[in-house]
Amino acid sequence: ELKVEQNPLFLSMQEGKNYTIYCNYSTTSDRLYWYRQDPGKSLESLFVLLSNGAVKQEGRLMASLDTKARLSTLHITAAVHDLSATYFCAVDMSTGNQFYFGTGTSLTVIP
Amino acid sequence: GAGVSQTPSNKVTEKGKYVELRCDPISGHTALYWYRQSLGQGPEFLIYFQGTGAADDSGLPNDRFFAVRPEGSVSTLKIQRTERGDSAVYLCASSRDRVGEQFFGPGTRLTVL
Repeated sequence: ELKVEQNPLFLSMQEGKNYTIYCNYSTTSDRLYWYRQDPGKSLESLFVLLSNGAVKQEGRLMASLDTKARLSTLHITAAVHDLSATYFCAVDMSTGNQFYFGTGTSLTVIP
Repeated sequence: GAGVSQTPSNKVTEKGKYVELRCDPISGHTALYWYRQSLGQGPEFLIYFQGTGAADDSGLPNDRFFAVRPEGSVSTLKIQRTERGDSAVYLCASSRDRVGEQFFGPGTRLTVL
């Protein structure tokens, strides 16, 4: 079974600061997804990364994928309060149809 | 356009009862997924449909769980003889194809007393 680990699990950061969330996974996959979840809400798709070296940016968030290292990063630039949420990465099994989600990173941006 | 919808939004049932959870995906999306999310955890994959067929049901925890998608659109997740451990939020997602981004519904919160 594929394992997906995120760190940190909890992150409290000040507005205006930068930080990176890491997503490591345990087996071969070329496809990785990032989602955001607000408390009591469903998941919102942020990024779809479909190949090694893929980099995508939207606003203050940038995601990248290194399939050789089995690592994806979600970088936050100049954080604002509206980014407070839980962020999940999800990995697509190359040899099957399952999606495995990480444990999530709960981000709180403090004014 | 309309997103993924799920009904009911909340379901409270007693241990041992049967429940059905419904998912209405985005029109034209051929791929449909069911997940279960417990408090403080990431979603756990249950089953994937491509069209009408269950392409992968390896995530279903046991034979009390079953899902159908008879016409390739609406899907129903069925749970027999519910147990307290089945309490969770059940999420449905759809996508245009196998590798596209998944659009999630609001979820059904199932509570088994």
